[in-house]
Amino acid sequence: GAVVSQHPSRVICKSGTSVKIECRSLDFQATTMFWYRQFPKQSLMLMATSNEGSKATYEQGVEKDKFLINHASLTLSTLTVTSAHPEDSSFYICSARGAGGSSYEQYFGPGTRLTVT
Amino acid sequence: GESVGLHLPTLSVQEGDNSIINCAYSNSASDYFIWYKQESGKGPQFIIDIRSNMDKRQGQRVTVLLNKTVKHLSLQIAATQPGDSAVYFCAENIDAGKSTFGDGTTLTVKP
Repeated sequence: GAVVSQHPSRVICKSGTSVKIECRSLDFQATTMFWYRQFPKQSLMLMATSNEGSKATYEQGVEKDKFLINHASLTLSTLTVTSAHPEDSSFYICSARGAGGSSYEQYFGPGTRLTVT
Repeated sequence: GESVGLHLPTLSVQEGDNSIINCAYSNSASDYFIWYKQESGKGPQFIIDIRSNMDKRQGQRVTVLLNKTVKHLSLQIAATQPGDSAVYFCAENIDAGKSTFGDGTTLTVKP
């Protein structure tokens, strides 16, 4: 149980275009989802926290107009990178926290590799 | 700001030996700590967690020790196997909020 999927697993897009990444909790309802970004050989950096049905809370330094997060249902959150640039190339990882069980546990998705050319 | 960090960026061990990966945290308000394993190109995988009211917790081949006095966390892996080769992150959490990740230690297991 507690499986989180991401789609796509990797994507290449041209500079200036937008790309959407989906994060789904497959077998539980996720009241909270987190979006992380990870550059090569670095740690995970939290970008934003989203609660179902409300606006996401962005970390300091993360542009909310560039990284649009939608958490419209208890099983789906999306991250849209708008007007992507090469410096946005990174590994994007989501995690989800369920409504039941331990309120601390987070379940991570497999990540999405974004390359902007 | 407060952060979680790791003492050593890399660790190399022989197959069958025990591994110890260390982590220092600076936020005394943290009440929950987690160790994750991340293989190349994949998302983090939960290994073991511990709450601040405990000093030690054991899982299958893994043990986490928490020393709140010096704000130190360690992960011990018994009989390390080649499949344990990965990057290991500790993370701290306050009151079921967001998790803050440390820098990561790359564990290499030599056959």
